[in-house]
Amino acid sequence: EPEVTQTPSHQVTQMGQEVILRCVPISNHLYFYWYRQILGQKVEFLVSFYNNEISEKSEIFDDRFSVERPDGSNFTLKIRSTKLEDSAMYFCASTPGAGKRTEAFFGQGTRLTVV
Amino acid sequence: DAKTTQPPSMDCAEGRAANLPCNHSTISGNEYVYWYRQIHSQGPQYIIHGLKNNETNEMASLIITEDRKSSTLILPHATLRDTAVYYCIVINDYKLSFGAGTTVTVRA
Repeated sequence: EPEVTQTPSHQVTQMGQEVILRCVPISNHLYFYWYRQILGQKVEFLVSFYNNEISEKSEIFDDRFSVERPDGSNFTLKIRSTKLEDSAMYFCASTPGAGKRTEAFFGQGTRLTVV
Repeated sequence: DAKTTQPPSMDCAEGRAANLPCNHSTISGNEYVYWYRQIHSQGPQYIIHGLKNNETNEMASLIITEDRKSSTLILPHATLRDTAVYYCIVINDYKLSFGAGTTVTVRA
């Protein structure tokens, strides 16, 4: 069964450093997303991406965050100048199309710890 | 912006059916009801979705009331591996807004 894969599974970084979280969405999917979940809290939407552009972003996705699809298979989330409060599980997801009738496939997440 | 209400937790005996309720009294005509689950901080997993008809797949059944103001997810024969947080989500676009969900504990 096709799946979304994320690397690394766990990333530890020093406050102020830059991190890149990587995702390989399902190959024929067109829409890509990042969500995050702070320990013990809800899963929160960060950003959606389609046709090499951000479709929508949440308030969490400030100017320290960026996304990119550099080579047609990978989908990355970059966080510059990391803060302690960026520590969370980050989930990548993809869907074959847009709209309310398509299920999202999630990766297993990257646990980011900022120290 | 919560559109759904779910009980915070429920227990279920292994091998029995688990019935998970969800209220979505403000649902509009073009909004779908989706169910996802999250097993111990893993990535959310799609279970089932529907608009107004009842739906069934290999994982579960979804029963939507005629007025669409509530629904029930049924896990027909719960196993220990079904222990998870279950999220009922109403959407009219692609973005998923997760609430707190129902923590389901299946007991042997």
